[in-house]
Amino acid sequence: NAGVTQTPKFQVLKTGQSMTLQCAQDMNHNSMYWYRQDPGMGLRLIYYSASEGTTDKGEVPNGYNVSRLNKREFSLRLESAAPSQTSVYFCASSPGLAGYNEQFFGPGTRLTVL
Amino acid sequence: AQTVTQSQPEMSVQEAETVTLSCTYDTSESDYYLFWYKQPPSRQMILVIRQEAYKQQNATENRFSVNFQKAAKSFSLKISDSQLGDAAMYFCAYRSDGGGADGLTFGKGTHLIIQP
Repeated sequence: NAGVTQTPKFQVLKTGQSMTLQCAQDMNHNSMYWYRQDPGMGLRLIYYSASEGTTDKGEVPNGYNVSRLNKREFSLRLESAAPSQTSVYFCASSPGLAGYNEQFFGPGTRLTVL
Repeated sequence: AQTVTQSQPEMSVQEAETVTLSCTYDTSESDYYLFWYKQPPSRQMILVIRQEAYKQQNATENRFSVNFQKAAKSFSLKISDSQLGDAAMYFCAYRSDGGGADGLTFGKGTHLIIQP
């Protein structure tokens, strides 16, 4: 089991460029999440997907879009990257939305927007 | 909205000693879950320990234990017999029992240094 995988691991963009961060899990989890981690901060929720076919906004959704392609995959898209989106992005999954469910995290993508 | 506060940006402890990391949170809910996550230099987020708010008994996992004080909204992590591999960022996190849009709410983290 690979758990949660993310691609790419590192990315440098210029302001205005677009890109998609990919995330996949092989644990047959229903729920998936995207977080961002800024220096000196904890992780903050961008978007989440309760189950295949549904997505909802988290705490900091502006500037992002997501797609739950199937049960395994949940992608995060930056349509027009801005320097404020420089961050480390984490994907996570859990069996369901209930609070007791452990969230399993991917290794993160370090994104720099120049 | 819930908030999580970790007041110690950095802590240092001698190998084999015991260290306690502090966490307080603010919520109006009665049912929720609290977590401690470890983030080593590899960036991987690793669950250390979990506490259900409805349980009075403090959770323990080997050398890791918590002191959960629900009335005081305090959730500290004690690491006994500290090892070099414990060096990492530690994040306290809160989650509503209903899950959903709240996801996990994290504190800003405590950087734990282990002195050999």
